[in-house]
Amino acid sequence: DAGVTQSPTHLIKTRGQQVTLRCSPKSGHDTVSWYQQALGQGPQFIFQYYEEEERQRGNFPDRFSGHQFPNYSSELNVNALLLGDSALYLCASSLRQTKYFGPGTRLTVL
Amino acid sequence: SQELEQSPQSLIVQEGKNLTINCTSSKTLYGLYWYKQKYGEGLIFLMMLQKGGEEKSHEKITAKLDEKKQQSSLHITASQPSHAGIYLCGADTTNAGKSTFGDGTTLTVKP
Repeated sequence: DAGVTQSPTHLIKTRGQQVTLRCSPKSGHDTVSWYQQALGQGPQFIFQYYEEEERQRGNFPDRFSGHQFPNYSSELNVNALLLGDSALYLCASSLRQTKYFGPGTRLTVL
Repeated sequence: SQELEQSPQSLIVQEGKNLTINCTSSKTLYGLYWYKQKYGEGLIFLMMLQKGGEEKSHEKITAKLDEKKQQSSLHITASQPSHAGIYLCGADTTNAGKSTFGDGTTLTVKP
């Protein structure tokens, strides 16, 4: 079992650009959640996908959008990047309650 | 305001010593999780607690949940350098699985 995988591991973008991050859930997991973790802070919930629908959303602007595919994998898209979007982006998958996290994508916005 | 407060923010202990990390929620808990994170890496699931009074152990790590006080504690016995890292508590504060996290406790274990 490969666990939760994320790509890419690192990414550098400039302000105003758009970025797409990818997540493959743990085998058998149907729910994917995305989190943003700034340095020195805990992860902040962005949104959760289940059955290809956004089920819950945290306090993030519409620049943050996502998608879940029929195979349960997911993408996080961020438009019009700001310097403040620099963070570790974590994906977590779950079947029932317990969430298992991927290694994260480190996004740097210059 | 922060929904989950962790204390202490950081902890330095000598190898072999016991330690406790606390997590207090300002909202009703539907599930409480403990994770460990190495700097800049993903979160490693340690334990999940759901019922008041529940206590779980894994190797030298024990976690307890006090549902009435909306608190959880993580206790490490006879700490080792391999225990070093950032310990995060997370909680489901809705029954639909939205999790919030504390800001973490950074543990350093001196050999």
